[in-house]
Amino acid sequence: GQQVMQIPQYQHVQEGEDFTTYCNSSTTLSNIQWYKQRPGGHPVFLIQLVKSGEVKKQKRLTFQFGEAKKNSSLHITATQTTDVGTYFCAGEEAKLTFGTGTRLTIIP
Amino acid sequence: NAGVTQTPKFQVLKTGQSMTLQCAQDMNHNSMYWYRQDPGMGLRLIYYSASEGTTDKGEVPNGYNVSRLNKREFSLRLESAAPSQTSVYFCASRPEIGIGYGYTFGSGTRLTVV
Repeated sequence: GQQVMQIPQYQHVQEGEDFTTYCNSSTTLSNIQWYKQRPGGHPVFLIQLVKSGEVKKQKRLTFQFGEAKKNSSLHITATQTTDVGTYFCAGEEAKLTFGTGTRLTIIP
Repeated sequence: NAGVTQTPKFQVLKTGQSMTLQCAQDMNHNSMYWYRQDPGMGLRLIYYSASEGTTDKGEVPNGYNVSRLNKREFSLRLESAAPSQTSVYFCASRPEIGIGYGYTFGSGTRLTVV
């Protein structure tokens, strides 16, 4: 079955540093989605990537979808305390399969 | 606009007890989902309903049953709760299955089975 791996599991950064999380699928995906979950909260949809090699930006967040549509990354520039949370990728083949998430903590 | 509403928010059960988790959405979405979230394991799909009148098993369906009562409501039932079912349960919905649609999640039910 489809597996979606995400690294790293945890990331601690100083406020103002950059942060990147990587997502890899065992199969080719029709699309990939990214979600953010604040501590104690629920996942919130951020973005969906569909095209091979696609790059999308949301303010300080940059999302990429790999050429082979099997991997993706989320990069945050100059982290802020509001970025704290767990970031999940979710790959869609027949169903949406979530990665294990990367928990971002920020040292003020 | 409430989005996806889950009840209850917290629940403690004894082993062997049964309960139903309720989920309702007011966005006229066709597809609804139940996930469980355990530390270090991300979100795992229990059951889903692509449209009213249909339900299908997900990755971890054992010990659960679902009912798509109407287009708005999708309930999850634990017939005989076990400690392994201690988890946070999320209901989610989206307009339909397919490209272009992210999931909207409810705020979750935190279930402890003792």
